[in-house]
Amino acid sequence: GQQLNQSPQSMFIQEGEDVSMNCTSSSIFNTWLWYKQDPGEGPVLLIALYKAGELTSNGRLTAQFGITRKDSFLNISASIPSDVGIYFCAGVQGAQKLVFGQGTRLTINP
Amino acid sequence: GAGVSQSPSNKVTEKGKDVELRCDPISGHTALYWYRQSLGQGLEFLIYFQGNSAPDKSGLPSDRFSAERTGGSVSTLTIQRTQQEDSAVYLCASSPGRENYGYTFGSGTRLTVV
Repeated sequence: GQQLNQSPQSMFIQEGEDVSMNCTSSSIFNTWLWYKQDPGEGPVLLIALYKAGELTSNGRLTAQFGITRKDSFLNISASIPSDVGIYFCAGVQGAQKLVFGQGTRLTINP
Repeated sequence: GAGVSQSPSNKVTEKGKDVELRCDPISGHTALYWYRQSLGQGLEFLIYFQGNSAPDKSGLPSDRFSAERTGGSVSTLTIQRTQQEDSAVYLCASSPGRENYGYTFGSGTRLTVV
């Protein structure tokens, strides 16, 4: 099935650095979501974006819904060890179905 | 319950056997979803329930896969004649069913077919 193109696939950074990841699609989505998944757990919703051009923050996280509605990015400022995990973007398609990116695995060196 | 509960958390089965995976959604959530996550991959949509009906089952990979939901609550995903390629983590999520995309996911069932 259709998937979003998420990059980078993995990141290795130092604690305290800022992080940026993005998602692109050939299709338009009306809602973009960003999730974080810890090992052995299901994904947890971080940020939801409902309007093209919208910029939303949640603590150290900032996400934007691209103006074309075909892309979104997520930034994490001043990373800390608990930010380690896999981050997924997702676009809402149709009534309720989510289409997920392949994920960005974030590793932080203390 | 307080969260989405899935059972079993792990299942090892022999190729060719049938398996049933269970999902207990958050109480009051009318929408329920099944996704599959293969190793190192994103989440693949399988089926969506609104109440007891499944308006979208387009993601079920083959006729060996089926799912049902009863009483607008518990859902069961059944895989018949399991194959090795069915090995994955099967995630269930629920949502209030209104225009609120704050899915809450369970921890998943890790299925290994040997």
